[in-house]
Amino acid sequence: DTAVSQTPKYLVTQMGNDKSIKCEQNLGHDTMYWYKQDSKKFLKIMFSYNNKELIINETVPNRFSPKSPDKAHLNLHINSLELGDSAVYFCASSQDVTGEGRRTQYFGPGTRLLVL
Amino acid sequence: AQSVTQPDIHITVSEGASLELRCNYSYGATPYLFWYVQSPGQGLQLLLKYFSGDTLVQGIKGFEAEFKRSQSSFNLRKPSVHWSDAAEYFCAVVVPPGAAGNKLTFGGGTRVLVKP
Repeated sequence: DTAVSQTPKYLVTQMGNDKSIKCEQNLGHDTMYWYKQDSKKFLKIMFSYNNKELIINETVPNRFSPKSPDKAHLNLHINSLELGDSAVYFCASSQDVTGEGRRTQYFGPGTRLLVL
Repeated sequence: AQSVTQPDIHITVSEGASLELRCNYSYGATPYLFWYVQSPGQGLQLLLKYFSGDTLVQGIKGFEAEFKRSQSSFNLRKPSVHWSDAAEYFCAVVVPPGAAGNKLTFGGGTRVLVKP
């Protein structure tokens, strides 16, 4: 009965490869997010989708491309991986129909990406 | 510059002692305020949140936080710490309140270590 799940949990890959991280939520929420947590534990939002529409797109390299096939899924595809992409990537979701910002965001367990 | 600051990177506290984690924000308007906890290797869990009204907010796991507008602060407290409270704690804001996108901006985090 996991609320927000991510796969894989760990991802070790070589520089230059392309990889995807998947996120699914079963909370019936309409908004989903990707956050990046660097080695110093600093957390920063990357993207947000509301009803499959991109609404937040922070300054993220074009190599990162989110895709939301439906409201319950938000995947993150990364092209040409670089050493600096090594981080923990968290998916989150909230019910935020009005966009008022009050709704709690529920986080997934994270995907630990290591680029060698 | 607009920011969320957690002045303490690490705090060590004895089990049973009280705990206070500091959070300051620098924004023109009062943002929505949140505290999240991240246990080792886990995702983030919401402890409590403040939007308006009573400035003392009760959360889960025995935590509370007090909003002080004059000090632009939202400090987290717990009267008696348990060993299971050892974790990373993040203060976060949504600014401006009511904006579409519900973008959480995080402080740098405070790592809490609990001594037996």
